[in-house]
Amino acid sequence: DARVTQTPRHKVTEMGQEVTMRCQPILGHNTVFWYRQTMMQGLELLAYFRNRAPLDDSGMPKDRFSAEMPDATLATLKIQPSEPRDSAVYFCASGFEGSQYFGPGTRLTVL
Amino acid sequence: QKEVEQNSGPLSVPEGAIASLNCTYSDRGSQSFFWYRQYSGKSPELIMSIYSNGDKEDGRFTAQLNKASQYVSLLIRDSQPSDSATYLCAVNDDYKLSFGAGTTVTVRA
Repeated sequence: DARVTQTPRHKVTEMGQEVTMRCQPILGHNTVFWYRQTMMQGLELLAYFRNRAPLDDSGMPKDRFSAEMPDATLATLKIQPSEPRDSAVYFCASGFEGSQYFGPGTRLTVL
Repeated sequence: QKEVEQNSGPLSVPEGAIASLNCTYSDRGSQSFFWYRQYSGKSPELIMSIYSNGDKEDGRFTAQLNKASQYVSLLIRDSQPSDSATYLCAVNDDYKLSFGAGTTVTVRA
């Protein structure tokens, strides 16, 4: 049963700290997406990759967020420095031929 | 970002009834359409995809697509309390998806 995995599942940190979230996409999927979800904003696309190449990261605050895909089995989303307004659930999704499958998410709380 | 509009809800239906969810989209050139279900505290789960005009049935779910009217809907027949969730409509936008804000469905016993 192929699934997207994300670590950590929960993260509590203090303002100013670096946060790194990791995602393992489903093997064979060629697109990877990072989303953020809050009650107020709903599901927001932050960045996505196709065949490991970044296609669009216009949804991310560039000064503090970065997304990379060092190999086909790992995507990372980094926040440095973190701020309380970054508190949200961050989802990774991987896709093939248009469909997307979401991981369980990382619930981030920045104090 | 292409616009995807859903009826805001919440939608409350009695157990055993049909729940009808609607979605409109702005780009006439869109080709792929998806419905996701998201339980509270969980991630969105793909439940239906549709690419051609007409109906597509999968168990108690039926997706309907009308490209001329730029309209896609999801019917849930014989609604069960386990169907209580938020349903997200998504439309392809090049390699990514544009999502609606979601409709929350509550099935009351």
